[in-house]
Amino acid sequence: DAKTTQPTSMDCAEGRAANLPCNHSTISGNEYVYWYRQIHSQGPQYIIHGLKNNETNEMASLIITEDRKSSTLILPHATLRDTAVYYCIVRAGNTPLVFGKGTRLSVIA
Amino acid sequence: DTAVSQTPKYLVTQMGNDKSIKCEQNLGHDTMYWYKQDSKKFLKIMFSYNNKELIINETVPNRFSPKSPDKAHLNLHINSLELGDSAVYFCASSPRLDRVTEAFFGQGTRLTVV
Repeated sequence: DAKTTQPTSMDCAEGRAANLPCNHSTISGNEYVYWYRQIHSQGPQYIIHGLKNNETNEMASLIITEDRKSSTLILPHATLRDTAVYYCIVRAGNTPLVFGKGTRLSVIA
Repeated sequence: DTAVSQTPKYLVTQMGNDKSIKCEQNLGHDTMYWYKQDSKKFLKIMFSYNNKELIINETVPNRFSPKSPDKAHLNLHINSLELGDSAVYFCASSPRLDRVTEAFFGQGTRLTVV
């Protein structure tokens, strides 16, 4: 079973920042936080991952709270192409990803 | 170049038939996976292979038999197909079992059993 809790759905205006929250209160010390997204009918796509420090790449930023019990994925300037289901996953090492229900993000023009 | 490729993309077949889905990765990864996404969109791990050896089998019926002829390929053979097998099947790969890294997914095979 997934160890994360995410809102079922969110809307975001095009061009604005999309902030997607995730709770993982039972995360273990060796587990990383991963974010993937699935655009309709495509395979899941890796976005970012982190352990305890905030991370940024060309797609997004990941903010992890100091106690590591929650995190936020930030898409700085959402576009219509960012409409997808976003999955927050905690994972130790290279174990298989366990997907929850994710958050359906709708970017609105 | 496609990193993880699956064939076929669509597969429609009758109940009771045997079918195979092929997966190939050109990333030099050691670990490969099969996931199933059902009609409710839940993505679940089925199998995990590392260097051609089965690591994880998540209580998948015996009718499903993965085969890894080499590190770059992980094929899924399904015997005696049932209506409930209809789903999208995703293959994925990641570099090494002992490293923290992302997994790369194929585009999926939509299997419809009629």
